[in-house]
Amino acid sequence: AQRVTQPEKLLSVFKGAPVELKCNYSYSGSPELFWYVQYSRQRLQLLLRHISRESIKGFTADLNKGETSFHLKKPFAQEEDSAMYYCALQQGNTPLVFGKGTRLSVIA
Amino acid sequence: ETGVTQSPTHLIKTRGQQVTLRCSSQSGHNTVSWYQQALGQGPQFIFQYYREEENGRGNFPPRFSGLQFPNYSSELNVNALELDDSALYLCASSPVGGGYTEAFFGQGTRLTVV
Repeated sequence: AQRVTQPEKLLSVFKGAPVELKCNYSYSGSPELFWYVQYSRQRLQLLLRHISRESIKGFTADLNKGETSFHLKKPFAQEEDSAMYYCALQQGNTPLVFGKGTRLSVIA
Repeated sequence: ETGVTQSPTHLIKTRGQQVTLRCSSQSGHNTVSWYQQALGQGPQFIFQYYREEENGRGNFPPRFSGLQFPNYSSELNVNALELDDSALYLCASSPVGGGYTEAFFGQGTRLTVV
């Protein structure tokens, strides 16, 4: 069965500190992996997807098929990064499967 | 280009009642998906509509039903409301193409069942 696990409900870091939001998945094929973000009072939006291999707002995520992980990283956290982060997977046009989310709080 | 809009933003219903939630898809998008997000949980897939036909369904009972209209807007109907149906209901639209297409989410409808 498809499953996305985000082990941390809440992650608090100081401004300027590195951030790593963990995501592990279970899937029998080769899914696409995504990170979605929801800032306060805003709608859920795509942050990045593994296939694009790009850095968005300083965030990167590397797909590790051996460890079935897709951790989100940023070297220096900013206060505006405070938000809910959801890891998700998808196969083709099938529905997105989301994790439970991690709330990132960046402390000034 | 307008984004995905949902109505209403909030509503309160009594257990046993029926509710209809509405979603206008983003311009040019012909696929609409509905998700339920309970408190402290990630969004959970309810069903998807493509060209007015249901095109996939998650693990939700038949009292959750939907429609898609020729203009690609959509409705989610829930009959015989239960307390556990209290959640944020999200609509997402996407264009259909080969492989992955990005889903664009509405702001959600917060349903409270009392």
